[in-house]
Amino acid sequence: GAGVSQSPRYKVAKRGQDVALRCDPISGHVSLFWYQQALGQGPEFLTYFQNEAQLDKSGLPSDRFFAERPEGSVSTLKIQRTQQEDSAVYLCASSLFGGIETQYFGPGTRLLVL
Amino acid sequence: AQTVTQSQPEMSVQEAETVTLSCTYDTSESDYYLFWYKQPPSRQMILVIRQEAYKQQNATENRFSVNFQKAAKSFSLKISDSQLGDAAMYFCAYRAYGGSQGNLIFGKGTKLSVKP
Repeated sequence: GAGVSQSPRYKVAKRGQDVALRCDPISGHVSLFWYQQALGQGPEFLTYFQNEAQLDKSGLPSDRFFAERPEGSVSTLKIQRTQQEDSAVYLCASSLFGGIETQYFGPGTRLLVL
Repeated sequence: AQTVTQSQPEMSVQEAETVTLSCTYDTSESDYYLFWYKQPPSRQMILVIRQEAYKQQNATENRFSVNFQKAAKSFSLKISDSQLGDAAMYFCAYRAYGGSQGNLIFGKGTKLSVKP
């Protein structure tokens, strides 16, 4: 498909488990963003990549959150020792470059931490 | 820090009628971009319309148009001839101009219901 894909779509984790969320951006898109969307809220920025470089990680809520994009395409958001407050939908978006370029969003991964 | 406020948690419109969703924002910048995104129950965010702050002309996309009031820092979305498929969460978003990142700052959203 031509769109942004994310996997898994749903993830249930026990508190304390580590999880890994995957994002496949649109082919050729340079910029990749991760957002966290709590229930009933708008998405909030987590981190930004330009190719393989993580240029901004100011939105990551704690050092338990880690993101990578080693080859400048697929990205993984990892959450270590999950807590209940990590329950949210995690959205990935990509754009051709930065700037005014439209960000195309994936369907999200809904994470529930029990 | 920039903020985006959507003061209408829920709105309802009759099919074929017109509805306006409100958005205000706060920024000290003079150049920036504004967006409206739609998020249907399937959760995939879709861009509806965008506006560059340096453009005085209001953006339009088919049945969707904006009323951009830069001095008032207001950016409302008008949906004309509402259709059942317009039912969704609508998010207003701000993006700073320039720089290398481009992350969006979102409001809390407005849930739009369309009555047949």
